[in-house]
Amino acid sequence: AQSVTQLGSHVSVSEGALVLLRCNYSSSVPPYLFWYVQYPNQGLQLLLKYTSAATLVKGINGFEAEFKKSETSFHLTKPSAHMSDAAEYFCAILSEGGSEKLVFGKGMKLTVNP
Amino acid sequence: NAGVTQTPKFRILKIGQSMTLQCTQDMNHNYMYWYRQDPGMGLKLIYYSVGAGITDKGEVPNGYNVSRSTTEDFPLRLELAAPSQTSVYFCASSYPTRTTNEKLFFGSGTQLSVL
Repeated sequence: AQSVTQLGSHVSVSEGALVLLRCNYSSSVPPYLFWYVQYPNQGLQLLLKYTSAATLVKGINGFEAEFKKSETSFHLTKPSAHMSDAAEYFCAILSEGGSEKLVFGKGMKLTVNP
Repeated sequence: NAGVTQTPKFRILKIGQSMTLQCTQDMNHNYMYWYRQDPGMGLKLIYYSVGAGITDKGEVPNGYNVSRSTTEDFPLRLELAAPSQTSVYFCASSYPTRTTNEKLFFGSGTQLSVL
């Protein structure tokens, strides 16, 4: 079964610093991968997705992620953190077998310090 | 632009009570989902539906029931509430992601406490 792993549950960065949120996947077929963001007291919103086109995917709010098959990774980055980036971030993979179910990682809470 | 609408936003239940979480979407999406979110556990799929009249179990279906009589509505039923069902529940909808590159749209969530 396909899965994603987000190690750790909390990342803290200073405003203006690099944001790096790690996600590793497990899949026996070429994966479809996603990053979602959840702001406090809201539902999830799509940041970006990889669907086997370009390996470097650009999303909203200056975020991007690079698909690396050799490392089975899909890490999320942003060059310069902003206070408004404080949120919880979820990596997800589309399950194989023709169904349209997303399997989510446990999430990573990002804190941005002034 | 209503999108995915969930009601209620908050609810407190006593053990053994029943309730229905409502979800409706106005985007004519085929696919609808119910997830629960527990701290540090991410989102777990409870049930999903690929169209009116078709539902299927997700990862954690026990204690829940769903129905999909229309494209727009996908209610989630808790028959005998238990403390383990204390969680935040999210409804979501989409077109098939693989084929149309559509994204998943989420409702704003229902915070449920069972005491």
